[in-house]
Parts: sequence; C-alpha cells; structure tokens
Amino acid sequence: AQSVTQLDSQVPVFEEAPVELRCNYSSSVSVYLFWYVQYPNQGLQLLLKYLSGSTLVKGINGFEAEFNKSQTSFHLRKPSVHISDTAEYFCAVRRTDSWGKLQFGAGTQVVVTP
Amino acid sequence: DVKVTQSSRYLVKRTGEKVFLECVQDMDHENMFWYRQDPGLGLRLIYFSYDVKMKEKGDIPEGYSVSREKKERFSLILESASTNQTSMYLCASTPGTYEQYFGPGTRLTVT
Repeated sequence: AQSVTQLDSQVPVFEEAPVELRCNYSSSVSVYLFWYVQYPNQGLQLLLKYLSGSTLVKGINGFEAEFNKSQTSFHLRKPSVHISDTAEYFCAVRRTDSWGKLQFGAGTQVVVTP
Repeated sequence: DVKVTQSSRYLVKRTGEKVFLECVQDMDHENMFWYRQDPGLGLRLIYFSYDVKMKEKGDIPEGYSVSREKKERFSLILESASTNQTSMYLCASTPGTYEQYFGPGTRLTVT
C-alpha cells in the first residue's frame, strides 16, 4: 500500500515571496507522482506530474517540483507567489502498475497575503 | 474542453433519507471515481468504476453504493444518510492515462 504525507497543513506566505510545499511518500512499488490544486469552491486541477525522466518537473502557473527517489519526496516550489495562488494543494501518488487509483495526502492550505 | 459536472453544488438532507449524487462526464472516459473530502484527511476514495456496470470498492465504501448504467454517468447513493456523511463529495474521470479530471464538488450536509 502507498501513503502520502504532506508535512505542513497550512503555509502562510507573503506576496512575491517563494514557497515550498513538502510531500513525502512511501510505497513498495514504483509510483507516479502528482500535485493538484483546489481553488476556493472548485474541484481539483492538475498542476504537474512526474512519470519518468528528468527529476525536475515544471507545471502550470510557474510551479515546479523535484522528485527525490532516495528521500521519497516530491516537494513543490514557486519562486514568487501571487495572491491568486491562495488555494489548497494536494500531493498524490499512483502505482505504475495500476490504471487510475490515486492516493492523496491531507493537503496544504496556502494563504498568500499582501 | 474537458467537463465533469455534478448535479448539485450544495445539498441538505435529513438523517435516514436516501440521497443520490449524480456525476456526468462528456469525454467518453472509461474510468470514474467518487471521493469524499474532509479537512485534514485529504481525498478518500469511496468507489470507482472502470466500465459500464462495473464497480469496485475504494478505501471507505461503507454506507455508500454506486450505479453506472451509462458510460457518461456515475451515481453515488447514500442508502440511509447519517450525520457522519456530511462532507464534500468529488467526482472524477480519466481515460486511463495519467490525469484525473474533477467536477466542482457537492457539499452535502446531513442534519
């Protein structure tokens, strides 16, 4: 079985400052890794994914994440946040041998203030 | 453009009522999912379906059932609603590749 741990439940950050959201996972098999974002009163949308290849993955809205296999981590970063980045962020994993089931972390609420 | 719709954004039901949550996708996806989202717990999988009339239990199926009579529609049924089923319910679909497409969610309150 897989598990996903998001180490921070809430991250306050000032506008134009950098932000890092931490995600660690455990799995006995190979996994794909995802970050989703949920804006207020909306469903989730995909920010980025790691499937294979380069460990640095770039996504939408200026976000990027780095896969570290030895530390089983997939941390999300943005060098300069905007007010509009206020949202909840979810890390998720999926077994490479399964067709769709995702295991989600508990989520990290990012609050950007001026 | 990808579209997953859910029948209601907000729903208030009484304890013991039978509740139907509907989800429709217009992308001809084979696979559909129902999650519930609770603060501090993230999203937990209730049921999923990989084809019409096919379903499998997720991590928390107790108290729920599902129906998939047509490819585009996946219904979640609460046979006898209870207050601990007050939650946000999210539907998603995928063609079997990597991305799941989510609906806007239904916030259900059971009183």
